Amino acid sequence: DAKTTQPPSMDCAEGRAANLPCNHSTISGNEYVYWYRQIHSQGPQYIIHGLKNNETNEMASLIITEDRKSSTLILPHATLRDTAVYYCIVRVTSGTYKYIFGTGTRLKVLA
Amino acid sequence: DTGVSQDPRHKITKRGQNVTFRCDPISEHNRLYWYRQTLGQGPEFLTYFQNEAQLEKSRLLSDRFSAERPKGSFSTLEIQRTEQGDSAMYLCASSLIWGANTGELFFGEGSRLTVL
Repeated sequence: DAKTTQPPSMDCAEGRAANLPCNHSTISGNEYVYWYRQIHSQGPQYIIHGLKNNETNEMASLIITEDRKSSTLILPHATLRDTAVYYCIVRVTSGTYKYIFGTGTRLKVLA
Repeated sequence: DTGVSQDPRHKITKRGQNVTFRCDPISEHNRLYWYRQTLGQGPEFLTYFQNEAQLEKSRLLSDRFSAERPKGSFSTLEIQRTEQGDSAMYLCASSLIWGANTGELFFGEGSRLTVL
């Protein structure tokens, strides 16, 4: 699976949009981009995923560049409860389907 | 609650003892994964099952570790002769893989192991 690169930490003011970048320059054509988050002492939680089109759900938006080498997770109105570690993962949707987690981005939402 | 459940949530043991963790996945999910997470790191893949078959094991899974999923339902992860380096959070996740389903993982809350 392709490796991803994320900044180790970010701060965001409460109520503002949080934009979390991810580089995945070696992504293959059949690999999806997934985002998970992990709130302290809990298991990771699925947020969103996409292949090449931008995606939006009730939690977040995912913007994938046209060359698919990077993506941005957008939390439109961050709240204190969004403070967590956010993981960007790329994986094929066949075979093992296993996820290879990096160290993620620790997002701190400030009051 | 129909999510992934893990038991026990916390386990403290002495070095050299055996420990066993149990995971109950979401009932219709055919895949079950075990991950290990240490402080400040992302989860590391250990092994996974499709139904009752164990299809892949990470090289992290030494011969002291064994996992089973009898009848393709719950799973157990046993660690024999525990070492202090085994102290970690052990996470279980399940997913449903079929057709075009992209199989996102649903994680349990984890079992935290402390080896003294």
